[in-house]
Amino acid sequence: KAGVTQTPRYLIKTRGQQVTLSCSPISGHRSVSWYQQTPGQGLQFLFEYFSETQRNKGNFPGRFSGRQFSNSRSEMNVSTLELGDSALYLCASSLEGGPSRAQYFGPGTRLLVL
Amino acid sequence: DQQVKQNSPSLSVQEGRISILNCDYTNSMFDYFLWYKKYPAEGPTFLISISSIKDKNEDGRFTVFLNKSAKHLSLHIVPSQPGDSAVYFCAALKTSYDKVIFGPGTSLSVIP
Repeated sequence: KAGVTQTPRYLIKTRGQQVTLSCSPISGHRSVSWYQQTPGQGLQFLFEYFSETQRNKGNFPGRFSGRQFSNSRSEMNVSTLELGDSALYLCASSLEGGPSRAQYFGPGTRLLVL
Repeated sequence: DQQVKQNSPSLSVQEGRISILNCDYTNSMFDYFLWYKKYPAEGPTFLISISSIKDKNEDGRFTVFLNKSAKHLSLHIVPSQPGDSAVYFCAALKTSYDKVIFGPGTSLSVIP
């Protein structure tokens, strides 16, 4: 099975712009979660989608939004970018009802906001 | 308010010795815990998990111990190998499909 894929891998934007990141989960996985990783902060949960519905949400401002399509692919959008949005954005998928509740992560999209 | 804490940002261990990575949590509602390993430029990789109904789970060189009364878990790696050098994240959740909370990570260096 192919793993979780994320596009693009690297992105450079300027303040005020908006960005859309894409995630394709492992085939058969219906849950997709997004995380932001910054140095010293670990992985901060953004949101989780399951069957095209947002099931959980972290403590991020409304500039961060997401959606999930019927094929479980997910996109994350950040509007009005700020310098502090520079981070590694990770997507993870999981098999609902799986024995370990483990999440399978993609390689991430590294976003740099100038 | 950090619900999952990994108080050691880094750890160095000699090859062949035991590595012990620690994790503390504050929310007594957490009932499932996981450890992930992350190499640079890659996403985290699931290592091992434990349910709150157990106090130990073992998988090869990796063993996770859970002390519910102390709200503490630890990951033991025996014997440590240079390829184990990575950042290790502890994660916790309530299995009523609540969000997964990750700790800040501990960077492990295994010295040959």
